[in-house]
Amino acid sequence: SQQGEEDPQALSIQEGENATMNCSYKTSINNLQWYRQNSGRGLVHLILIRSNEREKHSGRLRVTLDTSKKSSSLLITASRAADTASYFCATDIARQKVTFGTGTKLQVIP
Amino acid sequence: DGGITQSPKYLFRKEGQNVTLSCEQNLNHDAMYWYRQDPGQGLRLIYYSQIVNDFQKGDIAEGYSVSREKKESFPLTVTSAQKNPTAFYLCASSELDEQFFGPGTRLTVL
Repeated sequence: SQQGEEDPQALSIQEGENATMNCSYKTSINNLQWYRQNSGRGLVHLILIRSNEREKHSGRLRVTLDTSKKSSSLLITASRAADTASYFCATDIARQKVTFGTGTKLQVIP
Repeated sequence: DGGITQSPKYLFRKEGQNVTLSCEQNLNHDAMYWYRQDPGQGLRLIYYSQIVNDFQKGDIAEGYSVSREKKESFPLTVTSAQKNPTAFYLCASSELDEQFFGPGTRLTVL
């Protein structure tokens, strides 16, 4: 069963705007990860945030984690057309085993 | 050039035939995974292996089989018992929390 659920399912923005997508999960976690998938390709790891962290940055990415609400958000600032992809959150359910959400499909319009 | 390779990229099979998907990694990772992805969906875990000569069923193992005779290799066989095998199959490996994905194999049953 999939623990994570991303919201919205799809998002369309203009280049230069910020994109925010959210992930909710059901059970306690040690860490939460965000991955990106270009159409028809494998997933690429973006960022990992541990349960004792509240916010993490990597380049134009900002991830927050609220363990009391069992939710996380991924913010992509100053979006580019090349950011068009699907974004998945993944939560650890056992040692070296994660479960993926259903994804947010982001379209950045040039 | 380190990474994970999957072959073939596209695979067609007739109903009733078994087919084996290849996954090789040169990252020296202990853990390897097979996921299935259906259109517009997230990833579902088929099988995973945390060490050579050992593997466990994931959420949707029925109709699939794997072997892990070498650290570098984790082939997946889609058997005729799998009722709806047409999907995109992704292989991944990990050492700690981050998973590294191959480019995927798209299997179509005719």
